[in-house]
Amino acid sequence: GESVGLHLPTLSVQEGDNSIINCAYSNSASDYFIWYKQESGKGPQFIIDIRSNMDKRQGQRVTVLLNKTVKHLSLQIAATQPGDSAVYFCAENIFGGSQGNLIFGKGTKLSVKP
Amino acid sequence: NAGVMQNPRHLVRRRGQEARLRCSPVKGHSHVYWYRQLPEEGLKFMVYLQKENIIDESGMPKERFSAEFPKEGPSILRIQQVVRGDSAAYFCASSPEGYGNTIYFGEGSWLTVV
Repeated sequence: GESVGLHLPTLSVQEGDNSIINCAYSNSASDYFIWYKQESGKGPQFIIDIRSNMDKRQGQRVTVLLNKTVKHLSLQIAATQPGDSAVYFCAENIFGGSQGNLIFGKGTKLSVKP
Repeated sequence: NAGVMQNPRHLVRRRGQEARLRCSPVKGHSHVYWYRQLPEEGLKFMVYLQKENIIDESGMPKERFSAEFPKEGPSILRIQQVVRGDSAAYFCASSPEGYGNTIYFGEGSWLTVV
């Protein structure tokens, strides 16, 4: 069965607000996590990653938080823009990132209202 | 998507026909992965290949599906005697040798079985 899942299937936010997308994982052996963005009709696009020896990592307008105690991952998008509208997937890897076999969650659809 | 090329982008096959999906990885990448995505779901790992070798095919259905990555030319995912349940988006991804952390996805091939 799935070891990665999402709490919310859809999320609607106002342009300019911050977005938080959550993800739960169940495989305690997972040590590398990635967030992907997928626009309609396109392939997944890498957003940000984090290793299990970290609890926070920041990128441009995005932050990923990892809570290993409760096996929870979140993606925060600051000042959400219409171009952020997409489906967001978390994915986990149990090989420390040394191989690209990823386990994906089902996705959260982010809709940004102008 | 960093240059992973997939074709065809859309393919329609009748039940019982064969489907061949091609993937050219990013130049210099020797690791190729195939994933399948059903509507409204996350990607599911199928197979991991290096040049002329299948490294992990744990996600491949036992029958009708095969994959190869020859020394020269693109990687091929072959589905024989397609059934309606094979209708899905098939994504190829590649990563550089020895660095599988960030894998780059292609735009996908959408297979419709009628």
